[in-house]
Amino acid sequence: NAGVTQTPKFRILKIGQSMTLQCAQDMNHNYMYWYRQDPGMGLKLIYYSVGAGITDKGEVPNGYNVSRSTTEDFPLRLELAAPSQTSVYFCASSYSRTDNEQFFGPGTRLTVL
Amino acid sequence: AQRVTQPEKLLSVFKGAPVELKCNYSYSGSPELFWYVQYSRQRLQLLLRHISRESIKGFTADLNKGETSFHLKKPFAQEEDSAMYYCALSGWGSARQLTFGSGTQLTVLP
Repeated sequence: NAGVTQTPKFRILKIGQSMTLQCAQDMNHNYMYWYRQDPGMGLKLIYYSVGAGITDKGEVPNGYNVSRSTTEDFPLRLELAAPSQTSVYFCASSYSRTDNEQFFGPGTRLTVL
Repeated sequence: AQRVTQPEKLLSVFKGAPVELKCNYSYSGSPELFWYVQYSRQRLQLLLRHISRESIKGFTADLNKGETSFHLKKPFAQEEDSAMYYCALSGWGSARQLTFGSGTQLTVLP
């Protein structure tokens, strides 16, 4: 199993550009999460999903959108990139509400200039 | 609002010395507490959780509800324990999302 995969590893965007961060898991997990981590800070939840077709906002959703059309994939969309979105983005997944250990991807380092 | 505080950004100890990484939390109710660890060039991974009451790699953590703390301890630190450690809290909502502390970088010196 590959676990949780994220692409790309690194990306530089110009202000106003758009992009999609990809996340996929092959563990048949129902729950998926997107976090961002700013320097010297903990991870903050952007969006989460408890199953295909169900998504909800986390602590810092502004400027992002998500979709969950399949169990495996949970892409994160940045529509109009801003310097404040410079961060490291982590995707995670867990199996269920009771079996809730989260498994993390390797992260995407995004810089907006 | 739920919050996790790790007061030490950096912690250095010598090999063989005891180590304690502090974690305090605020939550209305009884949360589930975790310690996650990120070794150099590896992914963030679960180290232990309070409900399992296990010792993992020699680490233990006891949930103190009176002091709202979940400190991570190891009696004899090893160089391979050097890593970034995050304390995290989960409520009992439907999504079981985590709230993370800002992390403590532990360095074990030879």
